[in-house]
Amino acid sequence: AQTVTQSQPEMSVQEAETVTLSCTYDTSESDYYLFWYKQPPSRQMILVIRQEAYKQQNATENRFSVNFQKAAKSFSLKISDSQLGDAAMYFCASKTPYGNKLVFGAGTILRVKS
Amino acid sequence: EAEVAQSPRYKITEKSQAVAFWCDPISGHATLYWYRQILGQGPELLVQFQDESVVDDSQLPKDRFSAERLKGVDSTLKIQPAELGDSAMYLCASSKFGYEGYEQYFGPGTRLTVT
Repeated sequence: AQTVTQSQPEMSVQEAETVTLSCTYDTSESDYYLFWYKQPPSRQMILVIRQEAYKQQNATENRFSVNFQKAAKSFSLKISDSQLGDAAMYFCASKTPYGNKLVFGAGTILRVKS
Repeated sequence: EAEVAQSPRYKITEKSQAVAFWCDPISGHATLYWYRQILGQGPELLVQFQDESVVDDSQLPKDRFSAERLKGVDSTLKIQPAELGDSAMYLCASSKFGYEGYEQYFGPGTRLTVT
């Protein structure tokens, strides 16, 4: 069974600075996918970034990048040049290729200070 | 840009009453998911459809919850009777396919309060 752990219930960052959200996971599979989803207040959840476990290169999407450490089963999200619109709940999630469901962590609330 | 539609957005009901939620996935998406998100927690899958067939309902409390996707398009999730512990956000998501790492697109959710 897969499990996902987010140990930071809440994080704060000053506008324009960089913040890193932590995520660890556990799986017995050799191939899987990892995701970071953003859930703004009263708005739908959207995909921020996706990492395929067989790819060694860390995924990046504009200001968002991940640090994927497969041996340590760690998948952190780095947000550079933080903006007020980045304030949201962030969820780390995992999925196996043939498995059907996303397994989510408990989430990290990110607050951005102006 | 196409979005997943859900209604109602908010629902207040008394315990022991029946309640139903509706979801319209993005056109062409074969896979539809219903998740339950308790306040302060991550979403948990209740049921997954591939077209009109259920492929995973292992976490669905089948004594009170039911879900259908009759024509493989929109879907309804029903709770009968509702209990206080059912208060949560119910999220619908869809994806082109359920396998590999296809992105799941989420709707705005239905917030259920059971009194």
